[in-house]
Amino acid sequence: GDSVTQMEGPVTLSEEAFLTINCTYTATGYPSLFWYVQYPGEGLQLLLKATKADDKGSNKGFEATYRKETTSFHLEKGSVQVSDSAVYFCALSGPYNFNKFYFGSGTKLNVKP
Amino acid sequence: SQTIHQWPATLVQPVGSPLSLECTVEGTSNPNLYWYRQAAGRGLQLLFYSVGIGQISSEVPQNLSASRPQDRQFILSSKKLLLSDSGFYLCAWSPGQVNEKLFFGSGTQLSVL
Repeated sequence: GDSVTQMEGPVTLSEEAFLTINCTYTATGYPSLFWYVQYPGEGLQLLLKATKADDKGSNKGFEATYRKETTSFHLEKGSVQVSDSAVYFCALSGPYNFNKFYFGSGTKLNVKP
Repeated sequence: SQTIHQWPATLVQPVGSPLSLECTVEGTSNPNLYWYRQAAGRGLQLLFYSVGIGQISSEVPQNLSASRPQDRQFILSSKKLLLSDSGFYLCAWSPGQVNEKLFFGSGTQLSVL
């Protein structure tokens, strides 16, 4: 079945460091891919998404590119801030059942000043 | 605008007691509705989803059940709680169209003692 695998955390970085959180997926066809973020004490919210191969989703300085050949959707940011400390979830939906959303296990990011 | 309400925020229940968590969505019609569980140290597990009134799909056989008595109301229930039912429960909705995202409620922290 469809599934998402993301790197285990926690990831601890100093402010202004480069961030990569790996995400790979297994799906029939070409699903839509998402990154959600959960800030401390808050619910999940969409960070960015990509709906077809080679699309790049971006928001708040974060980027992720839909790579069909490697079935990956890695999250990157060039310079993290303390306020980026959160849990990040990779997710997919569809394409044959876009009503279902499957999430990875989440990666906790700690950014130190 | 659309809003999602989920209550209660926290709940402590003894083993063997019943459970009822409620979720309602405002500002939209015929949404897809979802229940997820986030166990400590683990990712989001899809429990149930619904594409319409009375239509419930179960993803994982378990001690829980879901119902959708009205278009924008989704209820998670159990007749007898187990210790393993402890976790963070999230309700979510989506417009039910291809490439659309999920919108999450603020969650319920359930502790079964």
